[in-house]
Parts: sequence; C-alpha cells; structure tokens
Amino acid sequence: ETGVTQTPRHLVMGMTNKKSLKCEQHLGHNAMYWYKQSAKKPLELMFVYSLEERVENNSVPSRFSPECPNSSHLFLHLHTLQPEDSALYLCASSQRLASVTDTQYFGPGTRLTVL
Amino acid sequence: AQSVTQPDIHITVSEGASLELRCNYSYGATPYLFWYVQSPGQGLQLLLKYFSGDTLVQGIKGFEAEFKRSQSSFNLRKPSVHWSDAAEYFCAVGAGNNDMRFGAGTRLTVKP
Repeated sequence: ETGVTQTPRHLVMGMTNKKSLKCEQHLGHNAMYWYKQSAKKPLELMFVYSLEERVENNSVPSRFSPECPNSSHLFLHLHTLQPEDSALYLCASSQRLASVTDTQYFGPGTRLTVL
Repeated sequence: AQSVTQPDIHITVSEGASLELRCNYSYGATPYLFWYVQSPGQGLQLLLKYFSGDTLVQGIKGFEAEFKRSQSSFNLRKPSVHWSDAAEYFCAVGAGNNDMRFGAGTRLTVKP
C-alpha cells in the first residue's frame, strides 16, 4: 500500500462513546497533520506532529486527543463528542515540518457522524 | 494572518469548455500558494503550487494557475474541461512553517 491511508473510512458514534481514528503514511515523511473538514467551511488544521512530537494544537477541545507513536502512525482519540464534531477528518503528511514548501499528502479521510 | 477567499461556491461548465476558478488571498509578504483537488470520497491532491519565479505555474492534469500580485489573486485555469474534472477545488496560502490556510472550496460540475 502506498501514500496515506486512514481507517475507518466511516464512523458513527454516540456522544458517550470512545473511538479512535488511525492514519498511516508509507512515504517516509517526518511530519503528520490532522485536519477537520466541515461542510461549507475551510479546512481547519487541528494538530501537527514532527518526529512524533506534537508541535501545534490549534485550540482544539480536549475531547480530541492525538497520539503519534512513531513517524508513520498517527491516531486521533475521540471521547464525549458533540454533534457539531461531525465532519470529515483528514490526515496528511509531509517530508519536513516547518516548511510550507513541502507538499502535504492527504489521506482519503474518515467521515465521522456523532449522534 | 493570511486568508483565502474563493468567491464561487459552485461552478458548472460544459465538457470541452474552458475553466477558470478564482482565488484571492490576503497576506502581507510573498505568499506560498497552492491549488488542491478533492474528488468525492477522496483526500486532497495537490494540483500545483507557486513559491517564486515565473508567475504562470503548470500543474498536473492540464491545469495552470497565474499569480498576480497586484490583484492578490491565484486563479486556476484549464483550457478544456473533462468530465473527470468534476470535483471540489481548494486554494490555499502558506506563510512559512506549517501555517497553511485553505479557502472554503469551489465545487465544479461538468455537463455532458
């Protein structure tokens, strides 16, 4: 498998559930990102990791908890979400951090619905 | 902080017709500019990017974009649209580090 993969592709959860989204990149990149894509709104950057260290948290509520165990894997742990958290969650990776000139490669996303 | 505006939420063109998608940015310094495409059920794919140099940038799938500093624009063009180009298109501006801002997107419909 190549590129950036995300699982699951679709997820429906209740507000009291705990679930996790997984992202894996097969590109040998050192930086990974979580984005939220809501209908009719621009992509919102949530978290940035470089070499497994979190380097950015864009004021994301604590009900979203990222984890980066190694440079190839990125998780987003979800708990006690709200209906307004329903969105497409996209993972991306790039060769280096701190360089917007490096192309970000995106996964297909996880479509999350919170009931 | 930088920002991006895509004035057109939805555009419909006939197959074979030319296409121009508008993008205006706001940023005090020289911006890094990008166009991405998102097909249904897929992630974003980079079409082209501008960092410096020639203001007319060629990308994949026959797309090009022109950076016009005086108009703060980076419009995407294609001379002849194919049905497979139907997708959502996002313009983005970067300001160094990993701070990249995306527009809200333009959805392209292609009529047969």
